[in-house]
Amino acid sequence: NAGVTQTPKFQVLKTGQSMTLQCAQDMNHEYMSWYRQDPGMGLRLIHYSVGAGITDQGEVPNGYNVSRSTTEDFPLRLLSAAPSQTSVYFCASSYGASGRAGEQFFGPGTRLTVL
Amino acid sequence: AQKITQTQPGMFVQEKEAVTLDCTYDTSDPSYGLFWYKQPSSGEMIFLIYQGSYDQQNATEGRYSLNFQKARKSANLVISASQLGDSAMYFCAMRENAGNMLTFGGGTRLMVKP
Repeated sequence: NAGVTQTPKFQVLKTGQSMTLQCAQDMNHEYMSWYRQDPGMGLRLIHYSVGAGITDQGEVPNGYNVSRSTTEDFPLRLLSAAPSQTSVYFCASSYGASGRAGEQFFGPGTRLTVL
Repeated sequence: AQKITQTQPGMFVQEKEAVTLDCTYDTSDPSYGLFWYKQPSSGEMIFLIYQGSYDQQNATEGRYSLNFQKARKSANLVISASQLGDSAMYFCAMRENAGNMLTFGGGTRLMVKP
């Protein structure tokens, strides 16, 4: 199993550009989520999904869109990039929502810089 | 109010000694889970240990153990016999049953001295 994969690893954007961060998992997990990590800080939840076709907002959703058309994929779209979106983005998945099944498996991260 | 608080931004420990990383949490949900993750300088998030709110015993995973004090709402990570490879950021996180995802603390940077 590849686990959770993310592409690209690094990306530089100009202010106002849009792009999609890709995330895929091959563990048949229902739950997927996107976090951002700013320098020296913990992770903050952007959006999450509890299954194909179902998404919801997390703590910091502004400026981002998500969709979940399949169990495997959960792309994150930046609509109009801003310097405040410079961060490391982590995608994660879990089998369940409670107990040990709620353990999140993380992708390697995408380091995004917006100029 | 912060849901997860890690009050130690940075800590040093001598190799082979034990170290305790503090974590306090705030929730009104009676059912929740607490997780610790390690983030080395390479950036990946590595799961270390899990404690459920109804677990009767403190969790242990190899050199990692969790000092879970439910009444005090604390879930401190204890690393025994520190190794140089333990130098990393450590994050405490909580998943409430009323919610779906993890809430993270700000992290503690642990540095192991040879």
